[in-house]
Amino acid sequence: GNSVTQMEGPVTLSEEAFLTINCTYTATGYPSLFWYVQYPGEGLQLLLKATKADDKGSNKGFEATYRKETTSFHLEKGSVQVSDSAVYFCALVSNAGGTSYGKLTFGQGTILTVHP
Amino acid sequence: SAVISQKPSRDICQRGTSLTIQCQVDSQVTMMFWYRQQPGQSLTLIATANQGSEATYESGFVIDKFPISRPNLTFSTLTVSNMSPEDSSIYLCSVVPRRGATQYFGPGTRLTVL
Repeated sequence: GNSVTQMEGPVTLSEEAFLTINCTYTATGYPSLFWYVQYPGEGLQLLLKATKADDKGSNKGFEATYRKETTSFHLEKGSVQVSDSAVYFCALVSNAGGTSYGKLTFGQGTILTVHP
Repeated sequence: SAVISQKPSRDICQRGTSLTIQCQVDSQVTMMFWYRQQPGQSLTLIATANQGSEATYESGFVIDKFPISRPNLTFSTLTVSNMSPEDSSIYLCSVVPRRGATQYFGPGTRLTVL
């Protein structure tokens, strides 16, 4: 079955530091990959996505590249802000059809705290 | 994208009671899902809400405990039945506006069972 593995957290950084959150996956076929963010007390928001190999998703200074050869989709940001403090979830959806179609598989989430 | 609302946003309930959570979308969507997020955990899919027919449940979830309705393409309900403290979680609905599109999430319902 499909699975997503994220780096262990929590991650604590100072403002303007470089961020990497690792994400690797196992899936049949060619899944679409996502990063969702959950700010304190809120629901999930889509941060970025990539639908095929070598695609780069980007939003709000965050980037992630779909690497089929390493089955990875690592999240990066060059300079984090206090407002980036949140829980980040890597996820995939299978595009193979059948009973798995449309169902998101999530990683365990990584808590990011950014200090001034 | 789609604008999704959930009611209630939070509730505190007594053991043994039931709570129905509503999910309303501002446009017709092809797929609707219900997820559970237990405290400090990731999201787990409960079921796919099928319009006009019985929901499709994931392993570990059953209709008697989590009955789901989806009477049309913009609305669904999830009921958490005979609640226990272990049901304390955030329950989120999500939608896929059309086949192949991105999945969007509602704001969630934070449930505490005493």
